[in-house]
Amino acid sequence: SAVISQKPSRDICQRGTSLTIQCQVDSQVTMMFWYRQQPGQSLTLIATANQGSEATYESGFVIDKFPISRPNLTFSTLTVSNMSPEDSSIYLCSVEAGTGPYEQYFGPGTRLTVT
Amino acid sequence: GQNIDQPTEMTATEGAIVQINCTYQTSGFNGLFWYQQHAGEAPTFLSYNVLDGLEEKGRFSSFLSRSKGYSYLLLKELQMKDSASYLCAVKLNTGFQKLVFGTGTRLLVSP
Repeated sequence: SAVISQKPSRDICQRGTSLTIQCQVDSQVTMMFWYRQQPGQSLTLIATANQGSEATYESGFVIDKFPISRPNLTFSTLTVSNMSPEDSSIYLCSVEAGTGPYEQYFGPGTRLTVT
Repeated sequence: GQNIDQPTEMTATEGAIVQINCTYQTSGFNGLFWYQQHAGEAPTFLSYNVLDGLEEKGRFSSFLSRSKGYSYLLLKELQMKDSASYLCAVKLNTGFQKLVFGTGTRLLVSP
């Protein structure tokens, strides 16, 4: 299993500003995933972050808006840039761990409200 | 594109049995996961199916038919604490083998 922490747990931000979300895992993992969960919705994958390489973004998400860092095997950050109210969501970090079936473990999430 | 459908909402009574269905059409398949998510919390892993058939785990069972693109999660002896959202997710066998999540089913268990 994996224990994941995220900071901040929640924030209220003004439009036009940026917020960086941190994700820390208690073990070394190859891949980390960032998801968005809009109110009342399911999870949508933003990007996959491999250590030492550029993140791979899903359709509809771009690096300028959601830059990601992955400096080592236990840590990643996601920045939500130039925020608008439509960015109000829960952002979750996830890792794949275990000996099979390599289930994904999720962090507690960061609840972002943009005013 | 990827398409994973679940009913939006279901209600059931404490002690009863409920079946939550999931149908999928994806561009690859390397297993199907069910997650439980209580309001305001992160999703937690419930079950995994990669071969056809039924996997039982206590009060929860999950079934998969790959030829039909169909799975269900069966919850027995429902308890109030089972009120949550249940997310079906397909693991793709391409690229990073990412998880694609369904729309989620909100289950409300009443006394």
